[in-house]
Parts: sequence; structure tokens; C-alpha cells
Amino acid sequence: DQQVKQNSPSLSVQEGRISILNCDYTNSMFDYFLWYKKYPAEGPTFLISISSIKDKNEDGRFTVFLNKSAKHLSLHIVPSQPGDSAVYFCAASADDKIIFGKGTRLHILP
Amino acid sequence: KAGVTQTPRYLIKTRGQQVTLSCSPISGHRSVSWYQQTPGQGLQFLFEYFSETQRNKGNFPGRFSGRQFSNSRSEMNVSTLELGDSALYLCASSPGQANEKLFFGSGTQLSVL
Repeated sequence: DQQVKQNSPSLSVQEGRISILNCDYTNSMFDYFLWYKKYPAEGPTFLISISSIKDKNEDGRFTVFLNKSAKHLSLHIVPSQPGDSAVYFCAASADDKIIFGKGTRLHILP
Repeated sequence: KAGVTQTPRYLIKTRGQQVTLSCSPISGHRSVSWYQQTPGQGLQFLFEYFSETQRNKGNFPGRFSGRQFSNSRSEMNVSTLELGDSALYLCASSPGQANEKLFFGSGTQLSVL
């Protein structure tokens, strides 16, 4: 039972364009959502988060949108840069538990 | 502040052996969680410790166990290793609640031959 789904295993985007990574969840009890970025041979690092009481949170080039009725969130990166090439994990939490998606590998093309 | 430290960085074992991985959280962090990462499976939650007590557990067999010491350092143990246990094992710490922002170590890459 996959509660947090990232349906695109990989995504390629031209440098300078917008990258949109998507995430769906099934549990309506999730009240906090996070995105992590992971480079090879390193642990994931926190990128941005959003509480369920908001529908948008912005931090520099990164914006996360939350659509509670659709149980969907997305991460927008604009403009995309070469250093953004990494695996991005979506995570959702409720109570004391965090559930991660399987990740989306983002390739930024020159 | 030093980050989350995991040792060893790489480990090669054979089937049937057991292994112990170590994690030192960020100073002041009391929650330590363990995750398994395999290609195509993302980050799968193993267990979480807080103040030396296991607070949450994922859906892994009993061969996977862990503990936390009074200084918040944590160890995880895998007994009777199987080929499918080959993975990157990640430790993460947070100040209190396990659903807060997690700080991850670089992981221990375990290969079971």
C-alpha cells in the first residue's frame, strides 16, 4: 500500500526552464509535506515543506503547491539549473510518522 | 554543528552473516530514524528511536533491529543477511518529533554477496 506516490521515475528539463515534480498521496490524515533532494553517495537534504493549512510555499527558485482536495502536491523549480540534477523525494507526515515516495530523478539538460 | 555521522561508509558481507551499523545524530537531537534505500523502492522506513525507546516501526522482518543509547547515538543490526538486504541504509535525526524536518547522514552502503 503506497501512501505517497511519485509516478514519474525520471524527468528531463532544459536548463533555464521550469521543472515540475508531482506527488500524490492517499491518506487524508497527512498534515505536513516535505521535499528532499538527494545527490549520489549523499544523504537526502531538506528542500522545502508545506503545512496542510497552506496551499503554497515559496523559497527562492523553489515553490511547493498543495491541492488537498486532489491529494496532490507539486514542486516547481524555476529557472532550472545544472546543480538541480538529483533525485527528489516527496514525503508526507502525520502524527510521528513520515512516509516517503519512491523519488523522481531530475535531469537538467544543457 | 557536526552533521549526522554514519559508520562505516561501505560494508561487504556474505549471506548468513550479521552486521551492525552506527549513527551519531546531530548534537541535541533526540530522535533517530533509520531508512533503507534500494533502487526503485525509495526510502523505506525501518524504525525510529526517541530517548532510548523505539517509538515507531516499519514493516521489516525481525532480523532488522535497532537500539539507541543515552547519548542518542543509535545502532541498527541485521542478522542472517540475505542478498536482498543489499541497500543504502540511511540514518536521520531530528530534535524531537519524527515528523519534523529530518537531517540525514550519508548512509552506509551494504553489499551482501
